[in-house]
Amino acid sequence: QQQVKQSPQSLIVQKGGISIINCAYENTAFDYFPWYQQFPGKGPALLIAIRPDVSEKKEGRFTISFNKSAKQFSLHIMDSQPGDSATYFCAASNDQGAQKLVFGQGTRLTINP
Amino acid sequence: NAGVMQNPRHLVRRRGQEARLRCSPMKGHSHVYWYRQLPEEGLKFMVYLQKENIIDESGMPKERFSAEFPKEGPSILRIQQVVRGDSAAYFCASSPYRVRGDNEQFFGPGTRLTVL
Repeated sequence: QQQVKQSPQSLIVQKGGISIINCAYENTAFDYFPWYQQFPGKGPALLIAIRPDVSEKKEGRFTISFNKSAKQFSLHIMDSQPGDSATYFCAASNDQGAQKLVFGQGTRLTINP
Repeated sequence: NAGVMQNPRHLVRRRGQEARLRCSPMKGHSHVYWYRQLPEEGLKFMVYLQKENIIDESGMPKERFSAEFPKEGPSILRIQQVVRGDSAAYFCASSPYRVRGDNEQFFGPGTRLTVL
């Protein structure tokens, strides 16, 4: 029940295209859903996050879509650029208790020039 | 304004030795999390600490692993008698405070442990 499942494992997109990464969760107590970006040899960095009281959040080229009834959320990267090539992790946590993050398995995104 | 600092960045140990990983949270942050990342996998929660207290250690292996966050100084993750399966990247994250709407955890660059 603590799992967050992420797909696809890897994704190749042409420059200027839309990158879409999906996540699904089981635990309905989760109420915070961040996306992290990680470059090789670096720590994860927060990209964008959403709470279940909204269905969409946009920051620049990055958008989170959230479907509470389906227990799914996704990251859309518009106008994808080679500099977006990285590994992306979705995560979930609960404000009650330790607020520990439960991470998906990660998606390795490659943007071809 | 320095971010989360971890040292060493790379650590090589032989089986049976001890590994000590250090984490200095961002200035003003009193909450520290440790996560482990195995190759090609996501991060897994290990332990959550506040100053001088372990709050949640549900992700820590029962043996050989311990963590502390003293009143003064960095947080320490200690692995005794390391085995090859301990080889991983260990990340520390810090958070400013626990109120709804500010749950962001800031991650350090990690310590990559290799056990020979």
